[in-house]
Amino acid sequence: QVTLRESGPALVKPTQTLKLTCTFSGFSLDTNGMRVSWIRQPPGKALEWLARIDWDDDKFYSMSLKTRLSISKDTSINQVVLTMTNMDPEDTATYFCAREGPVPGLYYFDYWGQGILVAVSS
Amino acid sequence: SYDLTQPPSVSVSPGQTARITCSGDTVAKQYPYWYQQKPGQAPVLLLYKDTQRASGIPDRFSASSSGTKATLTISGVQAEDEADYYCQSADTSGTRVFGGGTKLTVL
Repeated sequence: QVTLRESGPALVKPTQTLKLTCTFSGFSLDTNGMRVSWIRQPPGKALEWLARIDWDDDKFYSMSLKTRLSISKDTSINQVVLTMTNMDPEDTATYFCAREGPVPGLYYFDYWGQGILVAVSS
Repeated sequence: SYDLTQPPSVSVSPGQTARITCSGDTVAKQYPYWYQQKPGQAPVLLLYKDTQRASGIPDRFSASSSGTKATLTISGVQAEDEADYYCQSADTSGTRVFGGGTKLTVL
């Protein structure tokens, strides 16, 4: 059974750095083709893809947020960590992590965490 | 702005057919994936690999594509189908993109 769960602070102050952890089970990020992404959704707004890390440690970032994001993994404890610097109230959102399956040539998110709401406020 | 364009809203009566479009250059290169999101919940994968339904998705959900436009079709809409629907694609740089979402209202 594949599960993902996001954890981190519910509230951060402007200019602070956000660190979110995605803890997963039921698959290994060492498996060829496996990927995990972070996606966010401001209240009442659309989904926005943020970053992705692959089984081979390749990393990809949203062009608009590239300078503020960093993604890493620790496969020994089945975790993916996202850091976002210089947080702003506009970064208030629910942050999801999601698995992208290992099927070659297909890039869909088949399992999602429940999401974590992060508010940015002083 | 979004690289994938969806109508903000679609309304249909129960039993009717709802069609939600997703337009963009990436649609012509790779078929988009479709998700359903209900309030307070994570998105759920509906369709992938052109018209393949994800596990447990009813066959009233289907998809098609022509040129730079893809369409999610929900036949015989039920009240439980009221939700937000998103298309998603991948570009050659390795990034991922979502459409702006469409709110389906069942009248």
